[in-house]
Amino acid sequence: QKEVEQDPGPLSVPEGAIVSLNCTYSNSAFQYFMWYRQYSRKGPELLMYTYSSGNKEDGRFTAQVDKSSKYISLFIRDSQPSDSATYLCAMSLPTGANSKLTFGKGITLSVRP
Amino acid sequence: DVKVTQSSRYLVKRTGEKVFLECVQDMDHENMFWYRQDPGLGLRLIYFSYDVKMKEKGDIPEGYSVSREKKERFSLILESASTNQTSMYLCASTPGGQTYEQYFGPGTRLTVT
Repeated sequence: QKEVEQDPGPLSVPEGAIVSLNCTYSNSAFQYFMWYRQYSRKGPELLMYTYSSGNKEDGRFTAQVDKSSKYISLFIRDSQPSDSATYLCAMSLPTGANSKLTFGKGITLSVRP
Repeated sequence: DVKVTQSSRYLVKRTGEKVFLECVQDMDHENMFWYRQDPGLGLRLIYFSYDVKMKEKGDIPEGYSVSREKKERFSLILESASTNQTSMYLCASTPGGQTYEQYFGPGTRLTVT
């Protein structure tokens, strides 16, 4: 079983739709849970992060972590064409300075005008 | 703004050539990383460094080496390029003690023919 599994996609939705992106993981020691967004021909950028369980909201974006189920989600409300990108989930251990990130494979989202 | 720059956006090399990919960050970050990104495989960690002259193997170090002589610069070396090393190479950095946000460069698309 891979450490982090992410729905492969691609995903295409109409403008204004609610989008749900999900990842599951197997390592219960993960404490930081991140969503990165990568536009075409660019490097990934951090979109949101959550420490341990719970929800975090930032504008149209909501990140949820359920550690009991080892499941994380990113919700996008009122999706816009500018949200079209690849979204990668990532996780890390609560260790020191050289802790690595473990990434999901990413899902490509296309929002149709 | 944190800036991570990579020496080339596109590179074409021949099989057997020695290839150097350079990465420079301007925010005095302790940690630097090299990834490759391939369709269907996601981001895979090749090597990382948490201090000058220090390096650690990531998940797929075979066929690669790295050099970090100065804090701001992290080089990835392909000793003898092969066609299966055709990929997008991404460099990232992060300050010491912080694990969740990695700052990525724009990537180098390497083609080995």
